[in-house]
Amino acid sequence: QVQLQESGPGLVKPLETLSLTCTVSGDSISSHYWSWIRQPAGKGLEWIGRMYSSGGTNYNPSLKSRVSMSLDTSKNQFSLKLTSVTAADTAVYFCTKGAGDLWGQGTLVTVSS
Amino acid sequence: QSVLTQPPSASGTPGQRVIISCSGSSSNIGSNPVNWYQQLPGTAPRLLIYTNNQRPSGVPDRFSGSKSGTSASLAISGLQSEDETDYYCAAWDGSLSGVVFGGGTTLTVL
Repeated sequence: QVQLQESGPGLVKPLETLSLTCTVSGDSISSHYWSWIRQPAGKGLEWIGRMYSSGGTNYNPSLKSRVSMSLDTSKNQFSLKLTSVTAADTAVYFCTKGAGDLWGQGTLVTVSS
Repeated sequence: QSVLTQPPSASGTPGQRVIISCSGSSSNIGSNPVNWYQQLPGTAPRLLIYTNNQRPSGVPDRFSGSKSGTSASLAISGLQSEDETDYYCAAWDGSLSGVVFGGGTTLTVL
């Protein structure tokens, strides 16, 4: 059974870097592609970007200057970094397999001093 | 303002058939497959329909998807109380080079 689990700080200060990791179990991260999606409280879903096992990436144009993603095949994990965060980046962050075939439970990240 | 347009709400009575629409453009729905997601309160979304009309294993056949031109639809037949939740459509947008979502539709079972 494939499972995804997000982890990382739940509180990030403004202008600092948000860093999250998604640990995949039951499947190899070297297969498929993997995505990050976020959802502010009470609002809709926003695609952040995706990373292929080859290392190729696609990012949301509105976030592209601040986003980076990476894979760690030795740990079967993939990661998200979002720099210079503001309160507008406060949201539940989900990692997904593919375009959303399977989702992690999500992790709330609050940006506040 | 979402790139894909969904009605914010929809409703129906138990046993009824309800259709949720998703309107886009030639750069997204018009040229790429559409996925639908169901999100129960306080939980992560789950894939409901992929590639316009395909159901993942475990999704009841009461749920069906279709696409025509730059619009897509999610149909739910034999409406049940457990279907009362939020639904989102999504598609790749070639102009934006990214995935775009609809704003979501909250379905109420009366």
